[in-house]
Amino acid sequence: AQSVAQPEDQVNVAEGNPLTVKCTYSVSGNPYLFWYVQYPNRGLQFLLKYITGDNLVKGSYGFEAEFNKSQTSFHLKKPSALVSDSALYFCAVRDYYGNNRLAFGKGNQVVVIP
Amino acid sequence: DTAVSQTPKYLVTQMGNDKSIKCEQNLGHDTMYWYKQDSKKFLKIMFSYNNKELIINETVPNRFSPKSPDKAHLNLHINSLELGDSAVYFCASSQVEGGETQYFGPGTRLLVL
Repeated sequence: AQSVAQPEDQVNVAEGNPLTVKCTYSVSGNPYLFWYVQYPNRGLQFLLKYITGDNLVKGSYGFEAEFNKSQTSFHLKKPSALVSDSALYFCAVRDYYGNNRLAFGKGNQVVVIP
Repeated sequence: DTAVSQTPKYLVTQMGNDKSIKCEQNLGHDTMYWYKQDSKKFLKIMFSYNNKELIINETVPNRFSPKSPDKAHLNLHINSLELGDSAVYFCASSQVEGGETQYFGPGTRLLVL
């Protein structure tokens, strides 16, 4: 079964500094990988996904993520964090051969300090 | 234009009651889902329907019964509510193909007293 690990509970970063949220995955075949963001008392908003092709994926709000097959990682990055980026970030994976079951990581709380 | 909508947004009820949550999507998707987010923010899929047919049914108590009257709607009925059912329930939708993005509704915050 597919699974995702987000090793850190909280990521603190100063405004204007680079932001990285880590994600590693486990699947039996080729992965489909997703990042979502959840603001307080809101639903999940889609940020970006990797299906195939270029390992560097660009998404909404200036976020990008790099797929690394050898390290089974899909870290989310933003060159310059904003206070408004403070939220809960989820990495998710599904198996190419499976049904549409998405496995989510536990989420990372990002706090951007002004 | 709300893509995935849920009603109600908040639901406070007593133990033992029966309640329903409704979900509608106007994205033209053929697959809909119910997820449960617990107090620690863990997200777990409960059910998935494709073209009104149940395709994912996780280990969920049979007090939970999903119903899909058509492709655009997926409702969740919960019988005999328990304290542990308190959570946020999210509806989502997508096309069935594997790489397709799932789009989430705003959530229904259920509190069982």
